[in-house]
Amino acid sequence: DADVTQTPRNRITKTGKRIMLECSQTKGHDRMYWYRQDPGLGLRLIYYSFDVKDINKGEISDGYSVSRQAQAKFSLSLESAIPNQTALYFCATSGLGDTGELFFGEGSRLTVL
Amino acid sequence: DQQVKQNSPSLSVQEGRISILNCDYTNSMFDYFLWYKKYPAEGPTFLISISSIKDKNEDGRFTVFLNKSAKHLSLHIVPSQPGDSAVYFCAASDGRNAGGTSYGKLTFGQGTILTVHP
Repeated sequence: DADVTQTPRNRITKTGKRIMLECSQTKGHDRMYWYRQDPGLGLRLIYYSFDVKDINKGEISDGYSVSRQAQAKFSLSLESAIPNQTALYFCATSGLGDTGELFFGEGSRLTVL
Repeated sequence: DQQVKQNSPSLSVQEGRISILNCDYTNSMFDYFLWYKKYPAEGPTFLISISSIKDKNEDGRFTVFLNKSAKHLSLHIVPSQPGDSAVYFCAASDGRNAGGTSYGKLTFGQGTILTVHP
């Protein structure tokens, strides 16, 4: 099983619908992140959480919200989806070690029609 | 404003030759740099990193070079193999050296698609 699991892997929805992307991890890491990948733009940070009681906005948080339900769970919500939120979304975790490494899930592809 | 730029969207290389992927950054506060590799339908995976106190880091076939004065880093893959064909992302973070801890707030480049032909 993957250390960082995202659900759903693929989702097609309509403009105005509420969508939740879920992420769970078994790595025991305190830090979790949501990134968005768009062609030609790389990955951009949406929200991050350094522990259960800590939530921080990233570079592109408008239109998104998050919930850190437990150390192992971090969900991303789109309250009212719009077409320009069509993208590939990645959850990631990191520990407090010295490598600076992020561990990514396999991604959730969201299409907003 | 793209603080980390990979100006080559794609690179094609023959198997056995050297692949050189380039990355430029503008934020002088960046002090730690990483390369990630991404295969289709998978998440990015960490490849190699370098701290700003170094100018070179080597791991097997992969070497990363950092030129701080030019705000430029490059990833060399020697020899290139067909299995290296993937998208490569350069990433940077700041403040890491201040506390010695990993912050994870990375700024990524746009990615370069590497194709290694047999």
